[in-house]
Amino acid sequence: DVKVTQSSRYLVKRTGEKVFLECVQDMDHENMFWYRQDPGLGLRLIYFSYDVKMKEKGDIPEGYSVSREKKERFSLILESASTNQTSMYLCATYSPGETNVLTFGAGSRLTVL
Amino acid sequence: RKEVEQDPGPFNVPEGATVAFNCTYSNSASQSFFWYRQDCRKEPKLLMSVYSSGNEDGRFTAQLNRASQYISLLIRDSKLSDSATYLCVVNYHSGSARQLTFGSGTQLTVLP
Repeated sequence: DVKVTQSSRYLVKRTGEKVFLECVQDMDHENMFWYRQDPGLGLRLIYFSYDVKMKEKGDIPEGYSVSREKKERFSLILESASTNQTSMYLCATYSPGETNVLTFGAGSRLTVL
Repeated sequence: RKEVEQDPGPFNVPEGATVAFNCTYSNSASQSFFWYRQDCRKEPKLLMSVYSSGNEDGRFTAQLNRASQYISLLIRDSKLSDSATYLCVVNYHSGSARQLTFGSGTQLTVLP
């Protein structure tokens, strides 16, 4: 089974800071996703990547960018953090042939002050 | 209107009770349906897929009603360990996880 690791479980940042959220998977999967989860809103897709250096915007990409330089690593970047980006961020991937079975990392809870 | 709507709960039920959750979806082209489970402060994990003919996995039964555009999850003989948030997930393009749409979840607490 794939393992998805998000290096930072809890972060506290100040408005305007640049924030990097790192995600690593150990199975050489092509597809990786970044979601944010907010009460009452469910999971919303920010960005996804289907291969190295390939990315596509999700439903709420504003204020975010991503980087996929290596297959196993997918980074979410907040260029200038704002308080409305306080949220739980979840990285995910899926195994080939199991498109709907997402494996998530444990999540990164970001608080922007 | 949200694409996938769930009653947020919370549902507080005693151990041994039967509890059912419904979820409605707005896109009639939706093709695949799932229930994920999310424990407190943990990541979501797939609980079960929902098939057109309905399917059962132990104490859990999932059903799909395409005409009315809803899916349901029935939990029989509830256990304390069933306490979690249950996420309804719909995909209107079965070949692409990009199209997965998550409900906001229904919170269940099973009481001793």
